[in-house]
Amino acid sequence: GAVVSQHPSRVICKSGTSVKIECRSLDFQATTMFWYRQFPKQSLMLMATSNEGSKATYEQGVEKDKFLINHASLTLSTLTVTSAHPEDSSFYICSAREGSGRSPLHFGNGTRLTVT
Amino acid sequence: QQQVKQSPQSLIVQKGGISIINCAYENTAFDYFPWYQQFPGKGPALLIAIRPDVSEKKEGRFTISFNKSAKQFSLHIMDSQPGDSATYFCAPSTGGGNKLTFGTGTQLKVEL
Repeated sequence: GAVVSQHPSRVICKSGTSVKIECRSLDFQATTMFWYRQFPKQSLMLMATSNEGSKATYEQGVEKDKFLINHASLTLSTLTVTSAHPEDSSFYICSAREGSGRSPLHFGNGTRLTVT
Repeated sequence: QQQVKQSPQSLIVQKGGISIINCAYENTAFDYFPWYQQFPGKGPALLIAIRPDVSEKKEGRFTISFNKSAKQFSLHIMDSQPGDSATYFCAPSTGGGNKLTFGTGTQLKVEL
């Protein structure tokens, strides 16, 4: 089945530094990937839609200059949290669609970010 | 504004029992109604999904019931097992499943 891989699975960084999270579709091409954030015991909130070869579309309230998204190829999207602060500590999850239209979304296993 | 609400927030069921989780939505443009299962520290995984042209879909122990007029759909887990203990999210969407709107989540615990 389709697999979406995220790296790293956990990262701890110091306040003020930047962190890059990778999302790869391992056995399929994904023109669109989605980035979510999930706080403990809460729901997933869509942050942005990542489109291969074009700019990401951010949801209302998400700072595009803070959460940089790059979808450089059909199998890789990256999320960079710039100038991280403790309140950015969260579980970041990406998803990708195999094909288009009504094919299901596949989710990665998430990245636990802790900012100290 | 929370568009998608689940109930109950948490649920404890005995092994072999039936688990029922409900999802209520407001957006009448939703046209894809999935349920996702999430284990701690993992991403969500699609469990079962339904389109609005049918009222019920069954896959193994899992059944979705859809009530379009009430803007609700539910997940039934028959013969619940301890391995079903997880958090369940409904995540309806428009456009056939593109942008999912996740519900508030239901934490299920199946006890022996």
